[in-house]
Amino acid sequence: QKEVEQNSGPLSVPEGAIASLNCTYSDRGSQSFFWYRQYSGKSPELIMSIYSNGDKEDGRFTAQLNKASQYVSLLIRDSQPSDSATYLCAVKTSYDKVIFGPGTSLSVIP
Amino acid sequence: EAGVAQSPRYKIIEKRQSVAFWCNPISGHATLYWYQQILGQGPKLLIQFQNNGVVDDSQLPKDRFSAERLKGVDSTLKIQPAKLEDSAVYLCASSFPGGVAVYEQYFGPGTRLTVT
Repeated sequence: QKEVEQNSGPLSVPEGAIASLNCTYSDRGSQSFFWYRQYSGKSPELIMSIYSNGDKEDGRFTAQLNKASQYVSLLIRDSQPSDSATYLCAVKTSYDKVIFGPGTSLSVIP
Repeated sequence: EAGVAQSPRYKIIEKRQSVAFWCNPISGHATLYWYQQILGQGPKLLIQFQNNGVVDDSQLPKDRFSAERLKGVDSTLKIQPAKLEDSAVYLCASSFPGGVAVYEQYFGPGTRLTVT
């Protein structure tokens, strides 16, 4: 089992829709979770961090964490073409390593 | 606040040659990371420094890769000799030294290495 898995893409949504990106992790003791956005040819950019169960909202982005299910998600409301990118989930494990998932490619269609 | 700086941005070398990458982290960031990102994959940690010391180098191919961070600021990653499979983007990241944000990483622009 891979340590951090993300839903396989590419994911295509129409402009204005909600994009849902999912991530599961294997280390039950993980405490910190991060979402990065990576545009093609660019480096990853931190967009959300979440540390507690529940929802965390920042503008059009909502991160959701369920430690019991070992699941973290990112919702993007009112998706815009500028949101088209690869989204990387990263998890800080109980052994103090940050593991990145393979990423999900999102395409927002005008 | 200046971001993480890296150079060069692009490098093309032949296999068996050597190459070095440089990184200057955000001022005040004690933790520095080097990642390798192959196209279509997530970043893979090569080495993590806390100030001058190595925290994790378990995935660094030590027969050909080396890294140092002198004086706890700049860092250099070297590959010698390079192989074709080393073609990737090499990313440097840094993070604030303490508190809950200690694992929130800020990335430099990366160096795209092509080995022919």
